[in-house]
Amino acid sequence: QVQLVESGGGLVKPGGSLRLSCAVSGFTFSDYYMSWIRQAPGKGLEWVSYISSSSSTIYYTDSVKGRFTISRDNAKNSLYLQMNSLRAEDTAVYYCARDRGHMDVWGQGTTVTVS
Amino acid sequence: QSVLTQPPSVSAAPGQKVTISCSGSSSNIGNNYVSWYQQLPGTAPKLLIYDNNKRPSGIPDRFSGSKSGTSATLGITGLQTGDEADYYCGTWDSSLSSAKVFGGGTKLTVL
Repeated sequence: QVQLVESGGGLVKPGGSLRLSCAVSGFTFSDYYMSWIRQAPGKGLEWVSYISSSSSTIYYTDSVKGRFTISRDNAKNSLYLQMNSLRAEDTAVYYCARDRGHMDVWGQGTTVTVS
Repeated sequence: QSVLTQPPSVSAAPGQKVTISCSGSSSNIGNNYVSWYQQLPGTAPKLLIYDNNKRPSGIPDRFSGSKSGTSATLGITGLQTGDEADYYCGTWDSSLSSAKVFGGGTKLTVL
C-alpha cells in the first residue's frame, strides 16, 4: 500500500543540524512532487518546502530559506530535508506528503525538538 | 498569523450540519484550487477535499467543499462524534512569501 515513513527527528541544540528522511513505498516516487509540512506543538500546519519530481523546481517558506535544503533520491525512493542553524521555533512534528497540488498522502511524522 | 483565515472553533450536535469557512485573497484562494484536511487527535492530517469540491475515494459524501471568489467552505452533514477533529484549508499562494499556505485550523466539537 501507499506509505510514507519519516525518520531522523530528535533533540538538537540551537544552531545544530538534523537531516530528515522520508521513505516512500507503494507508488512510483519519481512521478510525484513532494512537500514537507510541519506542526509546532499545539499549533496549526505550516508548509515548509516543496520539490518537483525531477528536483528542477524547489520552494521554501521564508522562515527556512538559507537554512533548510530539500532533496530527493528517486533511485532510493527517498525524500530528505537537511536542516541547519536550527532555532527553537523550528521545534515541530515534520510530515512529508505526496504533493499533487493538494497533499493526498501523508507520513506519520517525525518530531524535531530544538532546545 | 495565517494567510488563510478560519474560525478557531465550531460546534454542533450529532446528526446536524456544520460549515467551516476559509477566507483568503486573490493571490491564493481567488486564483487557485482549495483543499481541506482533517486531523484527528494525535494523528497525521488526511485529505478530505481537493480541487475545491472533489472527494478522494473513501471519503463519505457527508463532506463537501465549495469556493466562491476568495473564500472557500467545508460542509459536513450528519455529524458524528468521530468527526471531532481539527480541519485545515490549504492552497497555493502566488505572493513572494510562500508557495503554499494553510489556514490556522478549526476545531470541530460534536456536542
